[in-house]
Amino acid sequence: DQQVKQNSPSLSVQEGRISILNCDYTNSMFDYFLWYKKYPAEGPTFLISISSIKDKNEDGRFTVFLNKSAKHLSLHIVPSQPGDSAVYFCAASYSGTYKYIFGTGTRLKVLA
Amino acid sequence: DAGVTQSPTHLIKTRGQQVTLRCSPKSGHDTVSWYQQALGQGPQFIFQYYEEEERQRGNFPDRFSGHQFPNYSSELNVNALLLGDSALYLCASRPTGLAGNTIYFGEGSWLTVV
Repeated sequence: DQQVKQNSPSLSVQEGRISILNCDYTNSMFDYFLWYKKYPAEGPTFLISISSIKDKNEDGRFTVFLNKSAKHLSLHIVPSQPGDSAVYFCAASYSGTYKYIFGTGTRLKVLA
Repeated sequence: DAGVTQSPTHLIKTRGQQVTLRCSPKSGHDTVSWYQQALGQGPQFIFQYYEEEERQRGNFPDRFSGHQFPNYSSELNVNALLLGDSALYLCASRPTGLAGNTIYFGEGSWLTVV
């Protein structure tokens, strides 16, 4: 039972354009969400988070949107840069656990 | 400020053997969790340690065990290794309190079982 799903295994975007990575979840108890970026042979690097009390959080070029009714979140990267090429994971948790459930990742390729 | 450090980075073991992986949390962090990431998958939660006790556990058999030391560092032990245990093992740490919702990962330990 996969509670967090990233249905697009890969995405290609031109440099300078917007990258939109999507994530769906099934457990309505989830109230905290994280996005990580992972380069080959490295551990995941934290990018941005969002609590269920918000519907948007911005940090520089990265914005995460949360639609609780649809159980959907998305990560927007604007403008996309070649260095953003990596695998992106979304993760979800609920209060008091700090046990994160991860999606299977989306490989983003930003074309120069 | 050192981040999460893990050792060894790579190792090869034979089926049936035992392995110990080590993790030092980020400075100021006292909670450590371990994740297994198989090829093409997202990280899967193994367990979490706080105050030297296992606090939560994922869906992993008892062959997977751990320990946390007074300095907050941690070990992951896997007994009776199977081929399917080949994966990247990630350690993550977080501070307690309200700032503790985000977990920070180390570089991981690549385990190959042959």
